[in-house]
Amino acid sequence: QKEVEQNSGPLSVPEGAIASLNCTYSDRGSQSFFWYRQYSGKSPELIMSIYSNGDKEDGRFTAQLNKASQYVSLLIRDSQPSDSATYLCAVPPRSGGYQKVTFGTGTKLQVIP
Amino acid sequence: DTGVSQDPRHKITKRGQNVTFRCDPISEHNRLYWYRQTLGQGPEFLTYFQNEAQLEKSRLLSDRFSAERPKGSFSTLEIQRTEQGDSAMYLCASSFQDAQYFGPGTRLTVL
Repeated sequence: QKEVEQNSGPLSVPEGAIASLNCTYSDRGSQSFFWYRQYSGKSPELIMSIYSNGDKEDGRFTAQLNKASQYVSLLIRDSQPSDSATYLCAVPPRSGGYQKVTFGTGTKLQVIP
Repeated sequence: DTGVSQDPRHKITKRGQNVTFRCDPISEHNRLYWYRQTLGQGPEFLTYFQNEAQLEKSRLLSDRFSAERPKGSFSTLEIQRTEQGDSAMYLCASSFQDAQYFGPGTRLTVL
């Protein structure tokens, strides 16, 4: 089992719709979770962090965490073509060793105008 | 610009040559990380520094790879005797606590 798993996609949604991106992880002790956005040919950009069960909202983005089920998701409301990118889920190990973050392979999102 | 910077942005080299990349982290960040990313994959951890100490190094990192952060500020990543399989994007990130911020990366092409 991979430490962090994401569906590679592509996930296609029409402009204005809600995009839902999912990530599962294997380490039950993980305490913090991050979502990065990566445009083609560019480096990852941190867009969300979440530490507690439940939802965390920031503008059009909502991160959802369920530690019991070991999944974290990212919702993008009112999707725009500029949201088209690969979204990476990142999870540090349980030891709090934030240094060795494990990244998923990313989900490619395509927002269709 | 107060973000993470990397130099060079692109490097083309011939197999067998040595290359060195530089990373300048965000000034107040004491943690610095190197990753490698190939097409269709997420960033793969290479090594981590806290201040000038190299605290972790991936088992995947062969002895051809070495990294330094001599004064706890900028860092260099050297690859000796490059191979075609080393072609990738090399990413540097820095952090003060948990959230890591990436530089623009150095794209290495080994011919």
